[in-house]
Amino acid sequence: KAGVTQTPRYLIKTRGQQVTLSCSPISGHRSVSWYQQTPGQGLQFLFEYFSETQRNKGNFPGRFSGRQFSNSRSEMNVSTLELGDSALYLCASSSKPTIAGLNTDTQYFGPGTRLTVL
Amino acid sequence: GESVGLHLPTLSVQEGDNSIINCAYSNSASDYFIWYKQESGKGPQFIIDIRSNMDKRQGQRVTVLLNKTVKHLSLQIAATQPGDSAVYFCAEIRGVSGGSNYKLTFGKGTLLTVNP
Repeated sequence: KAGVTQTPRYLIKTRGQQVTLSCSPISGHRSVSWYQQTPGQGLQFLFEYFSETQRNKGNFPGRFSGRQFSNSRSEMNVSTLELGDSALYLCASSSKPTIAGLNTDTQYFGPGTRLTVL
Repeated sequence: GESVGLHLPTLSVQEGDNSIINCAYSNSASDYFIWYKQESGKGPQFIIDIRSNMDKRQGQRVTVLLNKTVKHLSLQIAATQPGDSAVYFCAEIRGVSGGSNYKLTFGKGTLLTVNP
């Protein structure tokens, strides 16, 4: 069974641009959660989608948005990029909805997309 | 304020020794704690969890201890192996607003290095 895949793995953008990241969950999983990981702030929960509906949302500005398609693949979009958006963006999939963005032992993380904003 | 933090940013141990990684939390209303392992270039991997009504939980070579009196969580790894080298971080879930809303907070992580 294939794991969670994220594309692209690495991305370089400049301030003001926008970016779209993609996450393909494990087959059969309907929950996709997104996280931002930085050295300064650690791991922070962005939002979760389950069956195409956003269920949970972290404390991030409206520049961060997402969506989920009928095949459970999810995209995350960041508009008007800032230098502070440079981070590793992780997604995780689960067969069940999460609690506040976590589903412990039934949730699997992808390798992440490393976004650098210049 | 609310925080889930790590006592030590790095920990170096010899292969075969036991490792103890610590995590402090500030909110006594926390319901649930989880430990994750993150190897270089990979996403986090669930290790073990513990609910706030428990003091101890054991897994394969790992034990999590919860001391609610001092708001302290620890992960013990027995007979540490080179493959255990990774960043370990804790996460906390607590209910908010007395309802069905929950808040998730992650610790920043401790880098464990196992020397052969």
